[in-house]
Amino acid sequence: DAKTTQPPSMDCAEGRAANLPCNHSTISGNEYVYWYRQIHSQGPQYIIHGLKNNETNEMASLIITEDRKSSTLILPHATLRDTAVYYCIVGPEYGNKLVFGAGTILRVKS
Amino acid sequence: EPEVTQTPSHQVTQMGQEVILRCVPISNHLYFYWYRQILGQKVEFLVSFYNNEISEKSEIFDDQFSVERPDGSNFTLKIRSTKLEDSAMYFCASTIGVTLCQFGPGTRLTVL
Repeated sequence: DAKTTQPPSMDCAEGRAANLPCNHSTISGNEYVYWYRQIHSQGPQYIIHGLKNNETNEMASLIITEDRKSSTLILPHATLRDTAVYYCIVGPEYGNKLVFGAGTILRVKS
Repeated sequence: EPEVTQTPSHQVTQMGQEVILRCVPISNHLYFYWYRQILGQKVEFLVSFYNNEISEKSEIFDDQFSVERPDGSNFTLKIRSTKLEDSAMYFCASTIGVTLCQFGPGTRLTVL
């Protein structure tokens, strides 16, 4: 079973920031937080990952709480093309399978 | 940017027939995976492959399934005798070693 809890769905207005929460209260000290998304039945797409520090790349920002029990993925200016299922996954850094939960369906609306 | 490719994009087969799904992982990657997603359900892990052998497999990956890396570039998933419940999207993924990995576009398998 997935070790994370995410809301089943969220709506966001186009151009606004989308903040997707994830709870991972049982995360181990060496486990990373990974975010993927799946647009319509395409292959999952890696977005970002982090251990304990906040991370930012060209797609998104990842904010991890100090106790590491939860995190938030931020899409700073959501577009209609960001409508997708977003998955929060925890796991070690190397050579491990990904365990997908149900994720959060993000609907970006104009 | 290199990509994982999969062929065919859609495979239709009769129940009981054998199918082979093909993947070309990214060339310098070392770990290879197959996942499947039944329509409307979660993405499920099937098998991982490293150093020319299976490193982990799920309960789904029974004797009807097999994987191969026949020529150092292709990575295949064979289903020997397909069942109706094998109908799903099958995704191949690869990584150089870190858990984050790159997925292919998937093969939609329809078993009639």
